[in-house]
Amino acid sequence: QQPVQSPQAVILREGEDAVINCSSSKALYSVHWYRQKHGEAPVFLMILLKGGEQKGHDKISASFNEKKQQSSLYLTASQLSYSGTYFCGSNNAGNMLTFGGGTRLMVKP
Amino acid sequence: DTGVSQDPRHKITKRGQNVTFRCDPISEHNRLYWYRQTLGQGPEFLTYFQNEAQLEKSRLLSDRFSAERPKGSFSTLEIQRTEQGDSAMYLCASSLRAGMSSNEQFFGPGTRLTVL
Repeated sequence: QQPVQSPQAVILREGEDAVINCSSSKALYSVHWYRQKHGEAPVFLMILLKGGEQKGHDKISASFNEKKQQSSLYLTASQLSYSGTYFCGSNNAGNMLTFGGGTRLMVKP
Repeated sequence: DTGVSQDPRHKITKRGQNVTFRCDPISEHNRLYWYRQTLGQGPEFLTYFQNEAQLEKSRLLSDRFSAERPKGSFSTLEIQRTEQGDSAMYLCASSLRAGMSSNEQFFGPGTRLTVL
């Protein structure tokens, strides 16, 4: 079962902040975050692992609540280049990622 | 450019025809994944390889789909007797080492399949 992302869409002005949430109905071993621009491949942003380890970009932060089976991606001081669709992928201790339906982010000048 | 390449980028075919797509992963990556993505949805897992071994297949993958990675380098995905419902973007990704949970996947640009 795919994780649920919220909100489904966000419109921001440049410089504003946003939070994207990802919830799983199954126990999470890790959460992967990707951004995809229209017509392009998904680009890796961050991995959050059970136990607190994180790997990702310096300008993006995220949290992982193992008990609540949730992860949140924090976009601060948004730039025009942040526009795109954000996907979380859940790893439930198997060998595959199950992606959410995506959150469409538009940053306007 | 992530270093993962896919060919062709676009494929238009008639219903009932067979199609084959190729993926060349980043050279030192030993894991290779295939996903399918339809408009407005996230990538949907199809199958993955560790080196030349196909270790997992999605239950959604019908027997018309077959994938190979004969020498543990490039991979091919074949769809036989294509149906209109097969129209989608087919994405390939690769990652380094086993232990998928801690290693990011690098996606290729995808092959967009249109079945008429």
